[in-house]
Amino acid sequence: EVQVVQSGAEVKKPGESLKISCKGSGYSFTDYGVGWVRQMPGKGLEWMGVINAADSDIRYSPSLQGQVTFSVDRSTRTAYLQWTSLKASDTAMYYCARQRGGGLLDVWGQGTLVTVSS
Amino acid sequence: DIVVTQSPDSLAVSLGERATINCKSSQSVLYSSNNMNYLAWYQQKPGQPPKLLISWASTRESGVPDRFSGSGSGTDFTLTISSLQAEDVAVYYCHQYYVPPRTFGQGTRLDIK
Repeated sequence: EVQVVQSGAEVKKPGESLKISCKGSGYSFTDYGVGWVRQMPGKGLEWMGVINAADSDIRYSPSLQGQVTFSVDRSTRTAYLQWTSLKASDTAMYYCARQRGGGLLDVWGQGTLVTVSS
Repeated sequence: DIVVTQSPDSLAVSLGERATINCKSSQSVLYSSNNMNYLAWYQQKPGQPPKLLISWASTRESGVPDRFSGSGSGTDFTLTISSLQAEDVAVYYCHQYYVPPRTFGQGTRLDIK
């Protein structure tokens, strides 16, 4: 069974760093990409970008460029989303999803809720 | 960036009746080389991640009930639920994956009348 499982909820203070994870199983990890999608409280879906699991090629949304970092560890079939200095406005649910060829996000993780509050 | 706009923002339909959601992109998402529309539909129920219903504008994913159908080409698309069931209450999003940034519509909330 194809599965994408994300790390658990996080509560952080402004200025702190954070790295959340997304682990794929049941498929050939390097044949797909991993996309990241943000959903702020009560709002819609926002595409953050994608990382190619085979070669770590990355496309960030221009609106988020420089604010987050994507990475992947092929040995553990895990993708990561990282912040160096969180802001209150980063409070959101973050989803990762497997990306098929062509850019389609097909299998989604359960989401990681990130709360940033002083 | 391609702007994707859905209409309506919300709608309420009686059980067993047809529900129609529209999606318009600011530029064509039809790739002429393969004649495919890079447009998907997702369903998101409260407290759950989005679920892929339709890809390539009209291809229903495995396991998705056949009351869900997608149509359209170029810039104008439609998601139709032929006979609304109680479990279809959700927010529906269209999504263009033609070019980065791969944008979503704002969502359409579907309720029971």
